[in-house]
Amino acid sequence: EPEVTQTPSHQVTQMGQEVILRCVPISNHLYFYWYRQILGQKVEFLVSFYNNEISEKSEIFDDQFSVERPDGSNFTLKIRSTKLEDSAMYFCASSEVTNQPQHFGDGTRLSIL
Amino acid sequence: DAKTTQPTSMDCAEGRAANLPCNHSTISGNEYVYWYRQIHSQGPQYIIHGLKNNETNEMASLIITEDRKSSTLILPHATLRDTAVYYCIVRVPDGGATNKLIFGTGTLLAVQP
Repeated sequence: EPEVTQTPSHQVTQMGQEVILRCVPISNHLYFYWYRQILGQKVEFLVSFYNNEISEKSEIFDDQFSVERPDGSNFTLKIRSTKLEDSAMYFCASSEVTNQPQHFGDGTRLSIL
Repeated sequence: DAKTTQPTSMDCAEGRAANLPCNHSTISGNEYVYWYRQIHSQGPQYIIHGLKNNETNEMASLIITEDRKSSTLILPHATLRDTAVYYCIVRVPDGGATNKLIFGTGTLLAVQP
């Protein structure tokens, strides 16, 4: 069964550094999402992306965050200058169309030192 | 999106049916009920969704009351691998203004040997 893959599984970065989290969505999916989950807390929506532009973003997704689909297969989340509070699991998801379920990857654990 | 209420935790004996309730008394006519689960350290996994008819797939059954104010996810023969946090989410599938999933705290199902 096709699945969403995320790399790396664990990223350790110094505070203030830039980090890029990578995702390969399911191949025929058109809608892409990033969520995050701080340890012990709820899964939170960050951003949705369709047709090469952001369709919705949350309050968390400030100017330090950006997303990109650099080619036909990858979907990336960039954090420009990381903060301690950015430490979390980051999940990528994709869906074929909006009325189909979103399918999630297993996440990247981001640890900011 | 309507809010949902789920018990914080439940136990189930291995091999028995697990019945996970969800209250969504403010659900609107075009909102579907979605169920996801999150096994420890993994991304959320889609299970099933429905509007008003009962639904069944290879993973589970979804029973929605006639007034649509509550639903029950049934895992017919729970195994230890079904131990996870189960999330009930209501949303309009073709979201219009939003396609995001709003996760609550879910129900921690512990399947006991």
